[in-house]
Amino acid sequence: EIVLTQSPGTLSLSPGERATLSCRASQSVSSRYLAWYQQKPGQAPRLLIYGASSRATGIPDRFSGSGSGTDFTLTISRLEPEDFAVYYCQQYGSSPPRYTFGQGTKLDIK
Amino acid sequence: EVQLVQSGAEVKKPGESLKISCKGSGYSFSTYWIAWVRQMPGKGLEWMGIIYTGDSDTRYSPSFQGQVTISADKSISTAYLQWGGLKASDTAVYYCARLNGNFDYWGQGTLVTVSS
Repeated sequence: EIVLTQSPGTLSLSPGERATLSCRASQSVSSRYLAWYQQKPGQAPRLLIYGASSRATGIPDRFSGSGSGTDFTLTISRLEPEDFAVYYCQQYGSSPPRYTFGQGTKLDIK
Repeated sequence: EVQLVQSGAEVKKPGESLKISCKGSGYSFSTYWIAWVRQMPGKGLEWMGIIYTGDSDTRYSPSFQGQVTISADKSISTAYLQWGGLKASDTAVYYCARLNGNFDYWGQGTLVTVSS
């Protein structure tokens, strides 16, 4: 079973700064099957990035994803107040079904 | 507009049964899989299982196999998650999500509280 480890656990930054969130897999993952989600308190998660680097519908271009193999990154180029939330990476695949999430990175306001 | 609307919050006692629902609209419900995801209080996301709503083909995460039952009724565009005997450790928010490779649309969540 592939384990996803996100770092840091908590990231404290100020609006306008750049955020870099990491997701490391215990074994190689196809970049086609790596996604990032954002979850705000009391809300359902929202898909941000799929296929490691493709933005989902309606996601601002300050969000970008990159990486391959075992190391993936979510970058928020210039933080807006609404970006402070918890972010999860996920690897997914259908044979056999697996939709494992990382443990999350909390991005909070410094 | 794609929407997944889940049933409301539940408070149950240990040992009771429960079935929660997730109704899809704005897309061809029976041509997509639906996933169920658990989020325990203050914790992360865990996928529980998936169901193809067209024929009810169901796959479970090994962690949840035998613990819950996932079903669907395509005639009313609704998927279900049910328990035969709840435990206190089942207290969590449960989300349904449309499976499109990744989970591209999510329901609003159903809070299930199990307490004596």
